[in-house]
Amino acid sequence: DIQMTQSPSTLSASVGDRVTITCRASQSISIWLAWYQQKPGKAPKLLIYKASSLESGVPSRFSGSGSGTEFTLTISSLQPDDFATYYCQQYNTYLYTFGQGTKLEIK
Amino acid sequence: QVTLRESGPALVKPTETLTLTCTFSGFSLSTSGMCVSWIRQPPGKALEWLARFDWDDDKYYNTSLKTRLTISKDTSKNQVVLTMTNMDPVDTATYYCARILSVSSWGRGGMDVWGQGTTVTVSS
Repeated sequence: DIQMTQSPSTLSASVGDRVTITCRASQSISIWLAWYQQKPGKAPKLLIYKASSLESGVPSRFSGSGSGTEFTLTISSLQPDDFATYYCQQYNTYLYTFGQGTKLEIK
Repeated sequence: QVTLRESGPALVKPTETLTLTCTFSGFSLSTSGMCVSWIRQPPGKALEWLARFDWDDDKYYNTSLKTRLTISKDTSKNQVVLTMTNMDPVDTATYYCARILSVSSWGRGGMDVWGQGTTVTVSS
């Protein structure tokens, strides 16, 4: 199975900061990567699909990039509502796998 | 409006079989490219994909759990059912179902709509 590794595991930042989260795949997954945001006690929310396509209704401060084995999620200017845990997920094969998550905390 | 809702027992005993139902609305699982997946999340841990059921009746399972999982659909009730045998305390988790618009038919992928989740505790 393809392994997904996110870094960092925890990120401390302030409102207005630009932040980047990285996701690496153990083998090439082309562009078949999604990013999710999850808040405590809630279901995950799809932010990005196909590595860089913004899901409908998601603010434009979120962006994704990458292909092959290295991907990034960038939040251009952090808002109070963005403090949450973020997961990447590959779907290059039918055996989906998630990263271990990155918790974005308020500094 | 697309919605999904999970239902099932909150408590099961070790060695028992868990049956979870995902009831959905706003789309048809008979439509080309529609898929429903199950995902779980143990307390304080990461998401883990479990299984997927496709519009063409194809089914896919997590490699590590495939001997314990069965996914099926009831088209007339708009439901996807997941059974997991031989439950263990490590299977304690919140279980989610989610819709996928497949790459092959929709050119996108990603789990775009999720249910609110159902919490299952495995304990004697």
